[in-house]
Amino acid sequence: SQTIHQWPATLVQPVGSPLSLECTVEGTSNPNLYWYRQAAGRGLQLLFYSVGIGQISSEVPQNLSASRPQDRQFILSSKKLLLSDSGFYLCAWSQGAKNQPQHFGDGTRLSIL
Amino acid sequence: AQSVAQPEDQVNVAEGNPLTVKCTYSVSGNPYLFWYVQYPNRGLQFLLKYITGDNLVKGSYGFEAEFNKSQTSFHLKKPSALVSDSALYFCAVREFWDMGRRALTFGSGTRLQVQP
Repeated sequence: SQTIHQWPATLVQPVGSPLSLECTVEGTSNPNLYWYRQAAGRGLQLLFYSVGIGQISSEVPQNLSASRPQDRQFILSSKKLLLSDSGFYLCAWSQGAKNQPQHFGDGTRLSIL
Repeated sequence: AQSVAQPEDQVNVAEGNPLTVKCTYSVSGNPYLFWYVQYPNRGLQFLLKYITGDNLVKGSYGFEAEFNKSQTSFHLKKPSALVSDSALYFCAVREFWDMGRRALTFGSGTRLQVQP
């Protein structure tokens, strides 16, 4: 069966520091991969999605970037964190077909001090 | 563009009573519709989906949802609520003709509170 792993579960970082969040998927190949941010336990904002290695689409301009160095690895990064980057970050994967659901990791809670 | 509305921020129901969490959608063509549940500090868990066919879809944990094309709705239901159903519920849509974005559009979420 397929599994998705995100780490770390929680992270406290000072303003201006770099960021690297990692997400890996097991048990499937060539998945679509997604990064979301959830603010205040409510709606999800799609940040990035990827349909293949090295292929990244950005949904909103921001202080963050994403990379997909391997088929089942998705990384969210920042060179200098802002206070507004605080939130709950969720990674998800899906099969390529449009009628397939997305499956989510357990998220990383990022607090910026 | 596709969109999803969940008109209720919170739904309160007594344990053992039926529950309904409302969702309406807007797409240009035929929709693919999904329901997810989120427990505190966890990711979203997939409950059920509507693709085509029978308008009543059954999913995990006794949940079901009814697709109504004329009302563009996809309400989540359960005949008898449990305290453990208390969580945040999200409706999501993807348009059949969406060839590029390949991502779901999520509603703002509805918090379900089941009282013992």
